[in-house]
Amino acid sequence: KAGVTQTPRYLIKTRGQQVTLSCSPISGHRSVSWYQQTPGQGLQFLFEYFSETQRNKGNFPGRFSGRQFSNSRSEMNVSTLELGDSALYLCASSTLTGVSTDTQYFGPGTRLTVL
Amino acid sequence: AQTVTQSQPEMSVQEAETVTLSCTYDTSESDYYLFWYKQPPSRQMILVIRQEAYKQQNATENRFSVNFQKAAKSFSLKISDSQLGDAAMYFCAYRSPTPMNRDDKIIFGKGTRLHILP
Repeated sequence: KAGVTQTPRYLIKTRGQQVTLSCSPISGHRSVSWYQQTPGQGLQFLFEYFSETQRNKGNFPGRFSGRQFSNSRSEMNVSTLELGDSALYLCASSTLTGVSTDTQYFGPGTRLTVL
Repeated sequence: AQTVTQSQPEMSVQEAETVTLSCTYDTSESDYYLFWYKQPPSRQMILVIRQEAYKQQNATENRFSVNFQKAAKSFSLKISDSQLGDAAMYFCAYRSPTPMNRDDKIIFGKGTRLHILP
């Protein structure tokens, strides 16, 4: 099976712009989670989607949003970019039966640089 | 709120030796899942090992094993016969088992960077 893919791998934006990141989960996985990784804060949970519904959300401002499509692919959007949004954004997918917590498999990440 | 603490920012071990990475967590829940993830310099996060809190037996995956002490809320990772390819950042993570709870989140520790000395 192909792993989790994320596009683009690298992105440079300027303050005030908006950006959309894409994640394609492993085939058959219906849950997609997003994380922000920075040297200072480490890995922080952004949100998780399951069957096109947001299951939960981390402590990030409303500028961070996401969605999931019927094919389980997910997009994450950040509006009005700030310098502090520079980070590696990781996507992870899992099967999530709704009964137990399944293992998450991570993509390679999108490195976002805000100038 | 749950927290995960990795008290060792960096560690080094000689190739072929054994090393233990520590992780402690705080939770009021009785059932949960714990994970160790490895992030090599290429950045792709890989699951190393997983432990269900209701299982008393420590999880083992080849050269990787955990010492799960539920009462002490400790979840250390032991790597035996360390290899150069084990060099990476290791993250300990906690997850609540209630999937429909909107507070259900996965929480990561800050990570331990492991160096393997040839």
